[in-house]
Amino acid sequence: EAQVTQNPRYLITVTGKKLTVTCSQNMNHEYMSWYRQDPGLGLRQIYYSMNVEVTDKGDVPEGYKVSRKEKRNFPLILESPSPNQTSLYFCASSLVGQTDEQYFGPGTRLTVT
Amino acid sequence: QKEVEQDPGPLSVPEGAIVSLNCTYSNSAFQYFMWYRQYSRKGPELLMYTYSSGNKEDGRFTAQVDKSSKYISLFIRDSQPSDSATYLCAMTNMNRDDKIIFGKGTRLHILP
Repeated sequence: EAQVTQNPRYLITVTGKKLTVTCSQNMNHEYMSWYRQDPGLGLRQIYYSMNVEVTDKGDVPEGYKVSRKEKRNFPLILESPSPNQTSLYFCASSLVGQTDEQYFGPGTRLTVT
Repeated sequence: QKEVEQDPGPLSVPEGAIVSLNCTYSNSAFQYFMWYRQYSRKGPELLMYTYSSGNKEDGRFTAQVDKSSKYISLFIRDSQPSDSATYLCAMTNMNRDDKIIFGKGTRLHILP
């Protein structure tokens, strides 16, 4: 089954404790992206990647890091999480040139206390 | 002015009604217009996309783009309780590798 998976689905952590949210897709997509979704603010892009070793900032990259060492994986790293990073996070992927047709993962709900 | 404006709702309509969801935008470079549906506790899924102006129909769903007015619509005919979800409009320009801008989403409730 073609899908984007994220882990963990739910995470509660404390300020300053480094964490990583994994994202993996099995569709051989070149393009991958991370979004956060907040009430009243909608979906906002954090980082995206056009291919292996190619990443770029989205609208709200501060406080986040990403890496793209393999085509199928695109982990999101929070080196020192803060409460304002409490949010619902989505990973998405698509073919390059077809980013209008993105496939989204199930979401990771992160709470930073 | 925000790039994409979408009324957050909630919008409640009785089963069987025709639903109209809308977005306005300000960037005339947008060429691809999408509608995503997001069920509670799920990721968004692509429902329909349209290139440039015109209409596109898929079953009970019709997407309409009016570039002269910078206005897009999604119509749902014979609405069903299973259509209850948040609907997000999204758009991007000719280069489909560019950033996609999402609306904030409209919450829709279809009342049985």
